[in-house]
Amino acid sequence: GQSLEQPSEVTAVEGAIVQINCTYQTSGFYGLSWYQQHDGGAPTFLSYNALDGLEETGRFSSFLSRSDSYGYLLLQELQMKDSASYFCAVERNTPLVFGKGTRLSVIA
Amino acid sequence: DAGVIQSPRHEVTEMGQEVTLRCKPISGHDYLFWYRQTMMRGLELLIYFNNNVPIDDSGMPEDRFSAKMPNASFSNLKIQPSEPRDSAVYFCASSLRDLYGYTFGSGTRLTVV
Repeated sequence: GQSLEQPSEVTAVEGAIVQINCTYQTSGFYGLSWYQQHDGGAPTFLSYNALDGLEETGRFSSFLSRSDSYGYLLLQELQMKDSASYFCAVERNTPLVFGKGTRLSVIA
Repeated sequence: DAGVIQSPRHEVTEMGQEVTLRCKPISGHDYLFWYRQTMMRGLELLIYFNNNVPIDDSGMPEDRFSAKMPNASFSNLKIQPSEPRDSAVYFCASSLRDLYGYTFGSGTRLTVV
């Protein structure tokens, strides 16, 4: 089987930087994806890491270490609109297996 | 493209009734997924299709659940008879084999009373 662990809740201040960690156990690993979901909304794709290292997309960056079965999502210059749930998901061919999600609250 | 389209957005039904959820994937996407989301269990895969063919339905909780994809532009998920524990948000998503990232529909919030 497969499992993913990520913190259930994180609170951070507007303008700050926050890191959301994800550890996974799985066989046949292809890569790690991150999705954002606002309350009442649908999950939306943020990033994908197939290789070790950091991928940057604007204020968001995602990191993967395959040897450690670990990844993180880094959000910089936090804005109130970043308050949402963030899910890591393991790509192992098909289909995606999602973690339980981390609820990020951005406070003023 | 209008994205993945699901209907209805909300459904309230009585226990024992049949429920049908509908999904139109993005044109050209060859994979379609049905997920269910609850607070307790998170996002769970129910079933997925590749080129309209069901590949894995091991996530379908019981025989009360069934899903079909009669053509590349439509899929439905049926629950018959429905039970209160089926209350959840049901998402449909589609993707292209050689492109990472799933596109999710807006979901159907099902409440069974």
